[in-house]
Amino acid sequence: QQQVKQSPQSLIVQKGGISIINCAYENTAFDYFPWYQQFPGKGPALLIAIRPDVSEKKEGRFTISFNKSAKQFSLHIMDSQPGDSATYFCAASNFGNEKLTFGTGTRLTIIP
Amino acid sequence: DAMVIQNPRYQVTQFGKPVTLSCSQTLNHNVMYWYQQKSSQAPKLLFHYYDKDFNNEADTPDNFQSRRPNTSFCFLDIRSPGLGDTAMYLCATSRDLGPNQPQHFGDGTRLSIL
Repeated sequence: QQQVKQSPQSLIVQKGGISIINCAYENTAFDYFPWYQQFPGKGPALLIAIRPDVSEKKEGRFTISFNKSAKQFSLHIMDSQPGDSATYFCAASNFGNEKLTFGTGTRLTIIP
Repeated sequence: DAMVIQNPRYQVTQFGKPVTLSCSQTLNHNVMYWYQQKSSQAPKLLFHYYDKDFNNEADTPDNFQSRRPNTSFCFLDIRSPGLGDTAMYLCATSRDLGPNQPQHFGDGTRLSIL
């Protein structure tokens, strides 16, 4: 019940296209859903996060869509750029359990 | 400016030889975490400190220990490393516990056990 399932495992998108990564969870107690971006040889960096009281959050080219009834959330990267090529992890946590439960990661490659 | 600094960036050690990894932070955060990340996998939490209170994950091997002598520093000790401990070790901090507390990661120490 603590799992967060992430798909796809890898994704290739053309420059300027939209990259979409999906995550699903089972634990209804989760109430914080961050996305992390990790470049090779670097630690993960917080990209954007959402609470379940909103259905969408946008920061620049990055948008989280959240569907509480379906227990799913997704990351959309608009106008994808080669510099966005990285591994993306979704995660979830809840108050009282400070452990971040990570998804399995998506390796995103943006091609010219 | 680096805020969570891990040293060394790369460490090679022999099977069974104790190794210590270090982490320092300039954020004055209360919480420090240690994660293990194996190749192409998600980070896996080993333990965390809230101030001086140590919290071990149930599935963290006894081989792994940690020390936090002060707010700024935290160490990961692996007493008798095995080949399966080859991984990236990530340190992270957060201001406090609970959701909505972003975790700030260092760039990791890549540990190889030979």
